Amino acid sequence: EIVLTQSPGTLSLSPGERATLSCRASQSVNSKYLAWYQQHPGQPPRLVIYGASSRATGTPDRFSGSGSGTDFTLTIRRLEPEDFAVYFCQQYGSSPTFGQGTKVEIK
Amino acid sequence: QVQLQESGPGLVKPSQTLSLTCTVSGGSISDGGYYWTWIRQHPGKGLEWIGYIYYSGTTDYNSSLKSRATISLDTSKNQFSLKLTSVTAADTAVYYCARISLYAYYVDYWGQGTLVTVSS
Repeated sequence: EIVLTQSPGTLSLSPGERATLSCRASQSVNSKYLAWYQQHPGQPPRLVIYGASSRATGTPDRFSGSGSGTDFTLTIRRLEPEDFAVYFCQQYGSSPTFGQGTKVEIK
Repeated sequence: QVQLQESGPGLVKPSQTLSLTCTVSGGSISDGGYYWTWIRQHPGKGLEWIGYIYYSGTTDYNSSLKSRATISLDTSKNQFSLKLTSVTAADTAVYYCARISLYAYYVDYWGQGTLVTVSS
């Protein structure tokens, strides 16, 4: 099973700042099968990025994904109020696994 | 627009079987481009994949749950279901049904989730 480790656990930032979230895999992941999700309290996750760098329908262009192999990054260029949430990365090797999440909170 | 809706008891006694059903609308579970999956989230925690079923009936499960979980299809009702046997308090979680796109193996649609509490 591929283990995904996200860092930091919590990111405290102000609106307008840049957020950089990391997702590290215990073994190499096919970039095509790396996704990022956003989750607000009491809501199901929502797909933000798939294929490591492709924005899902409705994802603003301030969101970008990058990386390959074992290191992947989600960047939010200028935080808007609605971006404060928990973000999970997910991979699909032989079976899907998720990272433990990074909470982006208002500073 | 595809919609998924979980249904089932919100309270299950220890050692009993948790049973949930997911009703899919706006799309057919017989569509070969997707896996139909169950994912759970323990309170305040991350996401754990439970298993999936393909329209052909092929299934796969998280090895940590494999012996207790069963996912089945009812194509006539456009539903799929989860049974989890011998539950304990550790199975208390929000259970989501969802759809995995086989284009790049991401979850493109989620149900709203249902909290299942295991308690006597």
